[in-house]
Amino acid sequence: EAGVVQSPRYKIIEKKQPVAFWCNPISGHNTLYWYRQNLGQGPELLIRYENEEAVDDSQLPKDRFSAERLKGVDSTLKIQPAELGDSAVYLCASSLGQGNNSPLHFGNGTRLTVT
Amino acid sequence: AQSVTQPDIHITVSEGASLELRCNYSYGATPYLFWYVQSPGQGLQLLLKYFSGDTLVQGIKGFEAEFKRSQSSFNLRKPSVHWSDAAEYFCAVGPSTGGFKTIFGAGTRLFVKA
Repeated sequence: EAGVVQSPRYKIIEKKQPVAFWCNPISGHNTLYWYRQNLGQGPELLIRYENEEAVDDSQLPKDRFSAERLKGVDSTLKIQPAELGDSAVYLCASSLGQGNNSPLHFGNGTRLTVT
Repeated sequence: AQSVTQPDIHITVSEGASLELRCNYSYGATPYLFWYVQSPGQGLQLLLKYFSGDTLVQGIKGFEAEFKRSQSSFNLRKPSVHWSDAAEYFCAVGPSTGGFKTIFGAGTRLFVKA
């Protein structure tokens, strides 16, 4: 099966500029996650979708971050405006089920550098 | 609140030697437990998981992990390390009753020397 696909792989922008990341989950996976991974740290959940509904966005900085998952398949994560502290790897993951017994399948991530 | 601690930031082992990566968790009940591996520039890949039953679980690539309730630990082991095992390893926990948030440890980077 095709894995989780993310684009772009790398993005370098100046602070205050907008940026967007795209994710295509594994076919049939209804649950989609966006994680942020800071250097030397484990992934931290930003938002979780069940189909097209955002069911957990408690860790998403809503003043500058937004996400959408139209039609319950692909998803985009946007930052506007970007800050220096947003430099990180943004990982998308999907899972077949909703519960914690459904392992996560990760994409290769988008490495964002804000200068 | 649940948490995951990986005490070792990095570990170096010789190729062919045995490996043990430590993971301790804090949670009120038995959580779901996972180990993931991340190679440079890649996403995380599931190595193994524990939900219930036998406390010794087998995973891919020759890895195994043992759940010890009394120690709140879920250590990852491999009897003979290969150079290709050099990567970052993440322990993760998720609540088995309610809630859907999987929490990751900070990771342990494994270096393998020839």
